[in-house]
Amino acid sequence: NAGVTQTPKFQVLKTGQSMTLQCAQDMNHEYMSWYRQDPGMGLRLIHYSVGAGITDQGEVPNGYNVSRSTTEDFPLRLLSAAPSQTSVYFCASSYSNLYGYTFGSGTRLTVV
Amino acid sequence: AQTVTQSQPEMSVQEAETVTLSCTYDTSESDYYLFWYKQPPSRQMILVIRQEAYKQQNATENRFSVNFQKAAKSFSLKISDSQLGDAAMYFCAYRTGTASKLTFGTGTRLQVTL
Repeated sequence: NAGVTQTPKFQVLKTGQSMTLQCAQDMNHEYMSWYRQDPGMGLRLIHYSVGAGITDQGEVPNGYNVSRSTTEDFPLRLLSAAPSQTSVYFCASSYSNLYGYTFGSGTRLTVV
Repeated sequence: AQTVTQSQPEMSVQEAETVTLSCTYDTSESDYYLFWYKQPPSRQMILVIRQEAYKQQNATENRFSVNFQKAAKSFSLKISDSQLGDAAMYFCAYRTGTASKLTFGTGTRLQVTL
């Protein structure tokens, strides 16, 4: 049981490049979310999904796209990377509204 | 909009002592859940404890307990018999019974000294 798996763990991008952060969970959780963590700001919600085929925007969605074609996978796409997107990104999943989220180990992204 | 406030950016405690981390939240919902997460230097987010708003009894997990004051919208975390491994960032988080998203506070960095 791997839990929530995020890849890559570290990434450096040049401004304007695009990339996809991968997230997979093997717990059959319906709820999945992407957060970014910046110093002094806690974790902020980017996008979330309540099931396959259903996604919605969170607090800071601009510059990011998501899709949820399967229950297991929830990739986050950066369309055209900007230095303001330098952050640590966490994917998380949850069984239901009654429980907290299980988090992946995070991706540290630097945009230069 | 729901907000979560952690007013203590940093706290320090001596090993074996007790420390309390504060958290307040703002909501108009009656059905919600509160959480404390620990983030050690490894960056992993670890769920420490969970409290359902409809339960009057404070949650306890080993050395970790909460003081949940629903009317005051306060949710503090007490760590007893502090250990060096407790040193970490601690985040308070809130989730409604109908929404899927977690709202986090800005965190409290806990130092544990010998």
